[in-house]
Amino acid sequence: EDQVTQSPEALRLQEGESSSLNCSYTVSGLRGLFWYRQDPGKGPEFLFTLYSAGEEKEKERLKATLTKKESFLHITAPKPEDSATYLCAVIDSWGKLQFGAGTQVVVTP
Amino acid sequence: DVKVTQSSRYLVKRTGEKVFLECVQDMDHENMFWYRQDPGLGLRLIYFSYDVKMKEKGDIPEGYSVSREKKERFSLILESASTNQTSMYLCASRAGSSYEQYFGPGTRLTVT
Repeated sequence: EDQVTQSPEALRLQEGESSSLNCSYTVSGLRGLFWYRQDPGKGPEFLFTLYSAGEEKEKERLKATLTKKESFLHITAPKPEDSATYLCAVIDSWGKLQFGAGTQVVVTP
Repeated sequence: DVKVTQSSRYLVKRTGEKVFLECVQDMDHENMFWYRQDPGLGLRLIYFSYDVKMKEKGDIPEGYSVSREKKERFSLILESASTNQTSMYLCASRAGSSYEQYFGPGTRLTVT
């Protein structure tokens, strides 16, 4: 069964304290892994797409990496404006997006 | 930039009412989706459409229907609203050549 698991559920960071979020998946024949950012009361905002193991993408303080079993979202020297819920999703065997439950990140000054 | 808009940010309806949620995208995307998002359950797919007048059931279609009469517009209909349909409803669209979905701002629906 296709599954996407994110950890930790919640993460509290001091401003400048780098950390990583994990997304592990079980899906046959990965066709794409996606990272989204979601602010409270708003729709998810697209961040990255990764297609193959070894691929990396960067945007400001965020860097996403992909292996055959998992993806990491690294947050380097976070600022309070990086506070959000980060969602991971994969294309499942039926061609639909399957989402993880998300990691809620809070960055305090 | 892709723009997906939803007709209401907040909606309060009574049990048994018929509810219409509308979504419009301006990027000529073939595919459109309706999700609901609940704490602890994540995003769950209700219905999707890959072309005008075409629709497919997602994971939780019970109690919902959809309509796609024009390519840019996808409507979600709650035939008889119930309290367990209180949720955040999110619309998304994507091009036929890509798997990247772009979301609207969401509609927070409360059924009392």
